[in-house]
Amino acid sequence: AQRVTQPEKLLSVFKGAPVELKCNYSYSGSPELFWYVQYSRQRLQLLLRHISRESIKGFTADLNKGETSFHLKKPFAQEEDSAMYYCALCGSEKLVFGKGMKLTVNP
Amino acid sequence: DTAVSQTPKYLVTQMGNDKSIKCEQNLGHDTMYWYKQDSKKFLKIMFSYNNKELIINETVPNRFSPKSPDKAHLNLHINSLELGDSAVYFCASSQDRPPTFGSGTRLTVV
Repeated sequence: AQRVTQPEKLLSVFKGAPVELKCNYSYSGSPELFWYVQYSRQRLQLLLRHISRESIKGFTADLNKGETSFHLKKPFAQEEDSAMYYCALCGSEKLVFGKGMKLTVNP
Repeated sequence: DTAVSQTPKYLVTQMGNDKSIKCEQNLGHDTMYWYKQDSKKFLKIMFSYNNKELIINETVPNRFSPKSPDKAHLNLHINSLELGDSAVYFCASSQDRPPTFGSGTRLTVV
């Protein structure tokens, strides 16, 4: 079974603070993991995929197979980062999302 | 050009009505999906079609019926709408992974 857990629903930080959005997964095969972002009343957009190992908008995420985690990090949060963030796992034919986490970056 | 487009963007309707949401993608993708985002922002897959064939059908009431006339379109028809159907419905498409999402249809049942 595929499962994605985002243990925290809300995170509120001040501008310039580091952020870490946690994601844990369970999947018996080799997972493909992603982070999606949804700005207020907008479509879901792909932020990161683990296989590309890139940094987008200052965010990075490393797949840790030992801890079955794919935490999203940014060293200095900006106000425009305020959004809903979803961790997602793709296995077999479907993409399964975590419950999402709302990040609020205060001025 | 919008890659995955859904219509309408907003839909307000009374309980018991039948309504459809349309989705079209111009990306040439083989696979299309419908997701439901509830009031708690939880996203859950409903259906997946690959080349017009149903490949995923999660536990969704029979009142929901997807229709794929061709691989660029996946429409969602809902019969006998209930209050609990109020949500944002997202269409998505993919060729390999990950999916590209539409902008969503906010359905409100009153």
